[in-house]
Amino acid sequence: AQRVTQPEKLLSVFKGAPVELKCNYSYSGSPELFWYVQYSRQRLQLLLRHISRESIKGFTADLNKGETSFHLKKPFAQEEDSAMYYCALSRQGAQKLVFGQGTRLTINP
Amino acid sequence: GAGVSQSPSNKVTEKGKDVELRCDPISGHTALYWYRQSLGQGLEFLIYFQGNSAPDKSGLPSDRFSAERTGGSVSTLTIQRTQQEDSAVYLCASSPSGGSTDTQYFGPGTRLTVL
Repeated sequence: AQRVTQPEKLLSVFKGAPVELKCNYSYSGSPELFWYVQYSRQRLQLLLRHISRESIKGFTADLNKGETSFHLKKPFAQEEDSAMYYCALSRQGAQKLVFGQGTRLTINP
Repeated sequence: GAGVSQSPSNKVTEKGKDVELRCDPISGHTALYWYRQSLGQGLEFLIYFQGNSAPDKSGLPSDRFSAERTGGSVSTLTIQRTQQEDSAVYLCASSPSGGSTDTQYFGPGTRLTVL
């Protein structure tokens, strides 16, 4: 079975500092990996996905198959980055997303 | 354009009653998903529809839970004989085709409280 682990429930950093939200997964095949974000009083929305190899709002994530990780990084955190972040996985040919428990990121001024 | 909508936004019910939760996906999206977000369990998949068919019902926790989709559009999640452990936020999502790389677009959720 697939599993996604986000080891930090809470993460607090100061504005301007680098931020890294950890995500590890277990899946024997080639996964599709995503980061979803939920800002206060907003709905869950896609932040980025590994297949696109994109940078959204300054965030990047690299799939490391050797370490089975998909950590989310941003070099300089901004206050508007405060939100709940979920790492998610879908396996090839499947449709459902398997989510991690989420990390609540707080950016302090 | 309009996003995914869900109704009601909040539902309070008594243990043992039946409830129906509704989801209106984005127009043209063939794939529709239900998830549940509860304390301690995180976000859990419940069921996936492709058109009006449900090829993956593996996340439904018991036979008290059922869902249908009609006209390839609106979906209803029904919970019979509700229990306190059913209290959660029920999220609906839709995607263009149901591919594993599809972006899923989420609704605002229905918060269900079972007293």
